[in-house]
Amino acid sequence: GESVGLHLPTLSVQEGDNSIINCAYSNSASDYFIWYKQESGKGPQFIIDIRSNMDKRQGQRVTVLLNKTVKHLSLQIAATQPGDSAVYFCGGVNFGNEKLTFGTGTRLTIIP
Amino acid sequence: EPEVTQTPSHQVTQMGQEVILRCVPISNHLYFYWYRQILGQKVEFLVSFYNNEISEKSEIFDDQFSVERPDGSNFTLKIRSTKLEDSAMYFCARGTSGADEQFFGPGTRLTVL
Repeated sequence: GESVGLHLPTLSVQEGDNSIINCAYSNSASDYFIWYKQESGKGPQFIIDIRSNMDKRQGQRVTVLLNKTVKHLSLQIAATQPGDSAVYFCGGVNFGNEKLTFGTGTRLTIIP
Repeated sequence: EPEVTQTPSHQVTQMGQEVILRCVPISNHLYFYWYRQILGQKVEFLVSFYNNEISEKSEIFDDQFSVERPDGSNFTLKIRSTKLEDSAMYFCARGTSGADEQFFGPGTRLTVL
């Protein structure tokens, strides 16, 4: 099955700087990757997704990069704000089983 | 997109008791999911529900667990005989087209004593 994990459990970034959160996965059969944000006491919130046939996708202040060669996924957040402080999870989906598997998460702290 | 609603927000129960966690998604969504998150750990998939049937379940979702959508609106997760290790946050999620872009509810914190 899918296995996703993160390189670092915590990350601190100065407000206004860019941040990069990394994720590694083991199952190359995943069709789809998703980044979620979880603020304290709340459920995961969808941020951005990318299909396995893409290398890059951009959203508002966020960019997801997928490197299938090394099975690596990253989330870039531009011009970080205090509201970006949260735990960020990557997840993988195989459309064959409709199962979303999350990684362990990185806690991002934005320093004012 | 409006979020799903989950009730109760916090449930405390004695070990061995049955609990029912409720989720009220938008009625026109077809895909529903339950996840759990043990304190400090990652979110874990439990079960997916499509067209009023279980479409996928994890190894966590054993005979103690069941899901149903009894009235076409509420989506429930029942744990028949709770164990201490069932203590966790339980999140309901709904989707329009499958496992992609799921929208999560605020969760129910289950505490088993």
